[in-house]
Amino acid sequence: DTAVSQTPKYLVTQMGNDKSIKCEQNLGHDTMYWYKQDSKKFLKIMFSYNNKELIINETVPNRFSPKSPDKAHLNLHINSLELGDSAVYFCASSLWTGTPHEQYFGPGTRLTVT
Amino acid sequence: DAKTTQPTSMDCAEGRAANLPCNHSTISGNEYVYWYRQIHSQGPQYIIHGLKNNETNEMASLIITEDRKSSTLILPHATLRDTAVYYCIVKGDDKIIFGKGTRLHILP
Repeated sequence: DTAVSQTPKYLVTQMGNDKSIKCEQNLGHDTMYWYKQDSKKFLKIMFSYNNKELIINETVPNRFSPKSPDKAHLNLHINSLELGDSAVYFCASSLWTGTPHEQYFGPGTRLTVT
Repeated sequence: DAKTTQPTSMDCAEGRAANLPCNHSTISGNEYVYWYRQIHSQGPQYIIHGLKNNETNEMASLIITEDRKSSTLILPHATLRDTAVYYCIVKGDDKIIFGKGTRLHILP
């Protein structure tokens, strides 16, 4: 019954590899997001999609490419992984874009790049 | 989005009310005040939000001053499970900008 789920929960990989993180929400929401939480615990938004359309694209290297096959899924693909990509990545969803709709977060994916 | 200021950490005795303050003196008229919390390394959890009026739900109460320049989140009967980092966020569009938050310790 998990509202927002992410796979995998942990991901350990080497520099230069390409990896994907999957996110699914079963809440019927139109908008989905990706956040990054670094080692200092700062949470920053990376992307948001509304009904499969890119809405927010913060200053993120173009090695990161979100893909939304349908409005219930927002996957994050990362090319040529670097040490600095190590972080916890959270997916979130909300009913639709804008206030006052709250966001529901997934459990996170801890990515470690060695 | 307006910036928020919160104390770095706070302690509260178990069973007592936890009152978490937040200053947002540059808030504009269409911006809401939101509170989220993050327990250990879990995903942030929505708590409550408000625009002008005080709000209450099953988790907490939100008191917003009349000038809207500050607010207080109240957990009426804090338990050990309320130990978390609490984020006060002022939001006018789709982006949530998280600050450093307040680390709340509930003491047994």
